[in-house]
Amino acid sequence: GDSVTQMEGPVTLSEEAFLTINCTYTATGYPSLFWYVQYPGEGLQLLLKATKADDKGSNKGFEATYRKETTSFHLEKGSVQVSDSAVYFCALQFSGGYNKLIFGAGTRLAVHP
Amino acid sequence: GAVVSQHPSRVICKSGTSVKIECRSLDFQATTMFWYRQFPKQSLMLMATSNEGSKATYEQGVEKDKFLINHASLTLSTLTVTSAHPEDSSFYICSAKSPGTGVYGYTFGSGTRLTVV
Repeated sequence: GDSVTQMEGPVTLSEEAFLTINCTYTATGYPSLFWYVQYPGEGLQLLLKATKADDKGSNKGFEATYRKETTSFHLEKGSVQVSDSAVYFCALQFSGGYNKLIFGAGTRLAVHP
Repeated sequence: GAVVSQHPSRVICKSGTSVKIECRSLDFQATTMFWYRQFPKQSLMLMATSNEGSKATYEQGVEKDKFLINHASLTLSTLTVTSAHPEDSSFYICSAKSPGTGVYGYTFGSGTRLTVV
């Protein structure tokens, strides 16, 4: 079935380091892809999205490119800040029906000063 | 922006008892609410979808009689874990379709960590 696999955390980085969180998916068809972020004590928030192959989603310095050939949607940021410490979830969604989201397990990021 | 308030954030209960988790949409009407569960180191899994005023639609493998969902109003949906057992210990999170945000707009609650002892 359809699924999302993302790298296991926690990921621990120093401030201003480069971040990559890997995400790959398995899907029959062409889903839309998302990254959600959950800050401590808060709900998940949509960080960025890409709806078709080769699209690049970007927000708050984060980027991810929809790669159909490698079925991947890796999250990157050139210089992380302490405030980026959170749990990041990769997800996919097909159009139609009630738009069910399929999530990965989440990757915890801890950024130290 | 749209907010979904989820309570409690943490709950510990004894085996055999029932626990109710509430999700309220603040300042908007949530016609559809999604309930997810996450076991340690596993994905958030959709348990059920509830529409206001109608019966919830459960995903395959989710026990309807164990996880009772009520969506009696446009601002409140509840999940009751009945006769809880330690294997029900998990992280539960709700999500509502956000108004005016297109097909990709969802607002999530902050989650409830349930521990059954």
